[in-house]
Amino acid sequence: QQQVKQSPQSLIVQKGGISIINCAYENTAFDYFPWYQQFPGKGPALLIAIRPDVSEKKEGRFTISFNKSAKQFSLHIMDSQPGDSATYFCAAPKRSNDYKLSFGAGTTVTVRA
Amino acid sequence: NAGVTQTPKFQVLKTGQSMTLQCAQDMNHNSMYWYRQDPGMGLRLIYYSASEGTTDKGEVPNGYNVSRLNKREFSLRLESAAPSQTSVYFCASSEGYRASYSPLHFGNGTRLTVT
Repeated sequence: QQQVKQSPQSLIVQKGGISIINCAYENTAFDYFPWYQQFPGKGPALLIAIRPDVSEKKEGRFTISFNKSAKQFSLHIMDSQPGDSATYFCAAPKRSNDYKLSFGAGTTVTVRA
Repeated sequence: NAGVTQTPKFQVLKTGQSMTLQCAQDMNHNSMYWYRQDPGMGLRLIYYSASEGTTDKGEVPNGYNVSRLNKREFSLRLESAAPSQTSVYFCASSEGYRASYSPLHFGNGTRLTVT
């Protein structure tokens, strides 16, 4: 049973468009919400992370929005580029006293030139 | 700066065969992890080692064993491979045990097929 539910499974966006990926979590005691990016044939790499004391964090074209009351957080990729084509995973610690991460199922993003 | 190195990159086994996946990190990290990645399932934790000399089970440990050989190396062993273990295996490391303060650094994976 996944504790982090991610959607959509895949999406296609035109170059310059906005990609939006959503994640919903169950444990309200989570205190750290990272996003990992994975290119084909490579391992995932940390892209950006947020803590629940802020509602938004932006790094370049990547923004995390956090909605604590809805227990959801989202990744927005602005001005999407072909180089952003990858699989994106959200994650959260499994339990409040358990420091291991539980990953979402992943979203494959394809940016068409 | 190699980061996390996994060997082999590809492996094909017959049902019942055994093998060991090797992982080494050169970042002086304390914690190491083994994950498996399957389509639609994300990354699932098999075993982890919070520090040298300790190992513990993750979400899907059945059919696997691990050895934290030293601070750098963490191996994963399949004693009797089954088709259900066909997957991509990732080793990862982190500086500390607490996920919220220590990002995971992943290797590039071992693609294992069991026939």
